[in-house]
Amino acid sequence: GNSVTQMEGPVTLSEEAFLTINCTYTATGYPSLFWYVQYPGEGLQLLLKATKADDKGSNKGFEATYRKETTSFHLEKGSVQVSDSAVYFCALWNTGNQFYFGTGTSLTVIP
Amino acid sequence: DVKVTQSSRYLVKRTGEKVFLECVQDMDHENMFWYRQDPGLGLRLIYFSYDVKMKEKGDIPEGYSVSREKKERFSLILESASTNQTSMYLCASSPSGTSSYEQYFGPGTRLTVT
Repeated sequence: GNSVTQMEGPVTLSEEAFLTINCTYTATGYPSLFWYVQYPGEGLQLLLKATKADDKGSNKGFEATYRKETTSFHLEKGSVQVSDSAVYFCALWNTGNQFYFGTGTSLTVIP
Repeated sequence: DVKVTQSSRYLVKRTGEKVFLECVQDMDHENMFWYRQDPGLGLRLIYFSYDVKMKEKGDIPEGYSVSREKKERFSLILESASTNQTSMYLCASSPSGTSSYEQYFGPGTRLTVT
C-alpha cells in the first residue's frame, strides 16, 4: 500500500540554523512527492513537489530530492527564519486521486 | 489565485446534532476533497468527489456523508455528531488530468462536539 512516515516533532531551531525534516515513503508504482506547509491558523499550502526519481523540488529556500533508492524525500533549508515557523507535511500522490499525508512536523524558529 | 473557502472557522455543536460543513472553490476544479486533521495522525481523507453528484469514500468515511450538487460546492455532513468527531476539517480542490495532484486547501473548520 501507500504510506508516508516523517520525523516526529516538535523541532525547535535558532534563526539561521540548518533544517532537515526526514520523510520516507512506501508506494506501489511511481508516486509524486510533496511538501506542504501550514502556517498558524491557515490551511495547507504547497511548498514544493517532485514528480519523478532524482527530481529536486525547491521553493523559498527549501529543497527536497526524490530518492527512489532510499524511498526518501527529506526537506532541507540552509538557514531558517522565524517566519518559517509552521507545521510541515510530507505527502505522496499516487494513482486514484488520493494523497497520503505524513503526521506533520511542527517547527519553531526562535530569534 | 485559487480560493477555497469554508463556511465557518470555528463551530461548536452538541452530541446528536446534524452538522453541515460547506466548502466552495472558485477555480472550476473537478475534484474536491474533505480531510480531517488530528494531532499525531496528520490528514486523513474522509470523502472525495471527482464530478458533480459523484463521490468516493476515503479512508475514514464512517459517520460522515457528502453532497455535491454543484461543481463549486462540496458539503460534508455529520448525520449525528459525536464527541470523537471533534477535529479540524479541511477542504481541498484540484483540477482533473495531469495536474490533479495540485490540491488547494481552505483555511479549515475547527469543530468541537460537546
